[in-house]
Amino acid sequence: GAGVSQSPSNKVTEKGKDVELRCDPISGHTALYWYRQSLGQGLEFLIYFQGNSAPDKSGLPSDRFSAERTGGSVSTLTIQRTQQEDSAVYLCASSLGLASRGYGYTFGSGTRLTVV
Amino acid sequence: SQQGEEDPQALSIQEGENATMNCSYKTSINNLQWYRQNSGRGLVHLILIRSNEREKHSGRLRVTLDTSKKSSSLLITASRAADTASYFCATQPGAGGTSYGKLTFGQGTILTVHP
Repeated sequence: GAGVSQSPSNKVTEKGKDVELRCDPISGHTALYWYRQSLGQGLEFLIYFQGNSAPDKSGLPSDRFSAERTGGSVSTLTIQRTQQEDSAVYLCASSLGLASRGYGYTFGSGTRLTVV
Repeated sequence: SQQGEEDPQALSIQEGENATMNCSYKTSINNLQWYRQNSGRGLVHLILIRSNEREKHSGRLRVTLDTSKKSSSLLITASRAADTASYFCATQPGAGGTSYGKLTFGQGTILTVHP
């Protein structure tokens, strides 16, 4: 596609429920990143993929969070047993290559998750 | 922890004035990037500067990098109301390891340009 697509754009869920957030990167972008942003804050790194593998999962806050990427394309971030502190905007970005090689990110518009 | 820290946290200026935002970081970097965010949604890549570069220009944007001081600045000249947004610096570590492939973002500077 022309840009990074994230769905849903907004999600309201009850505490304790599981949610799945989807990211469809730009075609041909090998690197895919997940960040989250709480209100008025900077971006908190969660995980990144190079192809289908995840070299760095260090930012996942707890074992309730998991992510996968299949076919080197679409990625899904799953949050199990959601808590109120999970409320944030979840941002996905993709790039032609890793940031280490001088590539910038293209971000999606994010999924605003509200846990009530 | 955040690698980059922007200063000031908020900046309010009149249209036509220049806006300068600063970013400091702690560890060695491979490159530093600046992003803009409108309305708390997706970020837009503005400019990238590599560790062996000192200055870069793109339109009304000028970025400088001082690796000895571990700092960078973003200058927007002749600002417009449409420049109102949050601006973030992001650093890519110079060392190897699993952090090598990703960017670490600062807290951002909120810029308001009054017409």
